[in-house]
Amino acid sequence: EAQVTQNPRYLITVTGKKLTVTCSQNMNHEYMSWYRQDPGLGLRQIYYSMNVEVTDKGDVPEGYKVSRKEKRNFPLILESPSPNQTSLYFCASSLSTGGGTSSYEQYFGPGTRLTVT
Amino acid sequence: SQQGEEDPQALSIQEGENATMNCSYKTSINNLQWYRQNSGRGLVHLILIRSNEREKHSGRLRVTLDTSKKSSSLLITASRAADTASYFCPLNGDSWGKLQFGAGTQVVVTP
Repeated sequence: EAQVTQNPRYLITVTGKKLTVTCSQNMNHEYMSWYRQDPGLGLRQIYYSMNVEVTDKGDVPEGYKVSRKEKRNFPLILESPSPNQTSLYFCASSLSTGGGTSSYEQYFGPGTRLTVT
Repeated sequence: SQQGEEDPQALSIQEGENATMNCSYKTSINNLQWYRQNSGRGLVHLILIRSNEREKHSGRLRVTLDTSKKSSSLLITASRAADTASYFCPLNGDSWGKLQFGAGTQVVVTP
């Protein structure tokens, strides 16, 4: 079954304690990205990756890191989490033409609800 | 970049009724997508309609696109309780693949 998986699904942590949220897709997609969803602010892109070893910032990258060492995985790293990073996080993936203006449907993971106290 | 603006913000209907929501945008697009999000869960892609298409169907869903009016509509026919969700029409952002989301339309279907 084609899917995007995220782990953990729920996480409560304390300020400053490094954490990683994993994202994996089994569709051989080149494109992957991370969004956060906050009440009143909607979904905002954090980082994206066009392919292995190619990553770039989205709209709200501060306080986050990503890596793309393998095509299927795109972990989101919070080196020193703060309470303002309490949010619902989604990983997404899609095929990529490698450029141009077209887009393809995106597959979203089930979400990771993070609380930073 | 631009985001799609969904309207209405909220919609409450009874099971079996049809639900219609609209999406407006400001500048030209290559395609428009509709997604559904059940409460607190992941988004699910519903339909992608290209700028040279006027109408598209998928099961109980019908999407129209009017590029002259810069608007799209999503019709859900014979709604079910499971259709209770938020619906979004994100547009392409300023980088490839980026989706720019609006606030969505929250649909509640009551038995």
